[in-house]
Amino acid sequence: DIVLTQAPLSVSVTPGESASISCRSSKSLLSSKGITSLYWYLQRPGKSPQLLIYQMSNLASGVPDRFSSSGSETDFTLKISKVETEDVGVYYCGHRLEYPLTFGSGTKLEIK
Amino acid sequence: QVKLLQSGAALVKPGDSVKMSCKASGYTFTDYIIHWVKQSHGKSLEWIGYINPYSGGTNYNEKFKSKATLTVDKSSSTAYMEFSRLTSEDSAIYYCAREGYGFAYWGQGTLVTVSS
Repeated sequence: DIVLTQAPLSVSVTPGESASISCRSSKSLLSSKGITSLYWYLQRPGKSPQLLIYQMSNLASGVPDRFSSSGSETDFTLKISKVETEDVGVYYCGHRLEYPLTFGSGTKLEIK
Repeated sequence: QVKLLQSGAALVKPGDSVKMSCKASGYTFTDYIIHWVKQSHGKSLEWIGYINPYSGGTNYNEKFKSKATLTVDKSSSTAYMEFSRLTSEDSAIYYCAREGYGFAYWGQGTLVTVSS
């Protein structure tokens, strides 16, 4: 199974500042179709996860452009610029390269 | 708009089974695969498996193969997951999620508590 390792475990950010979250894959997530199969989700407290980023760098519908993602075949970074209080929650990376699908262990974002 | 409405919380005894539902609306049910995901308290997300509502075809995570059974009722646009031989390890929130460049839509989750 593909293992996704996230860092840090938690991050505390002052509103208006930026935050970065890392996700490292145990295997290249570049598919034979040339798509990098890495996704980012945010789970706000008490809510279901929501899709933020698909195929490594594409913003999901309705997601503010303060969120961005980039990376290589195995190392990925989610960046949140100008953090707002509504960004609080746990961020998960996940892949769709092969089955079983797996997720990272999560990074908790808190506001200072 | 796309909605996935899951059944309510369940309290079940060890050894019993539980069947939960995920009713889809706002799109053509048979056009998109439905996935199921487990989230134990305070833990990360685990993919259980998926079902193709059009064909009924399924794919399970090996870890849940003997535990979960996925079905659909096309007439009511509802997906079901039955979890059998429950233990305390199965206490969790279970989500259904619809495909769409990743898990684009999620249900609100069904909390299952296994306790005698």
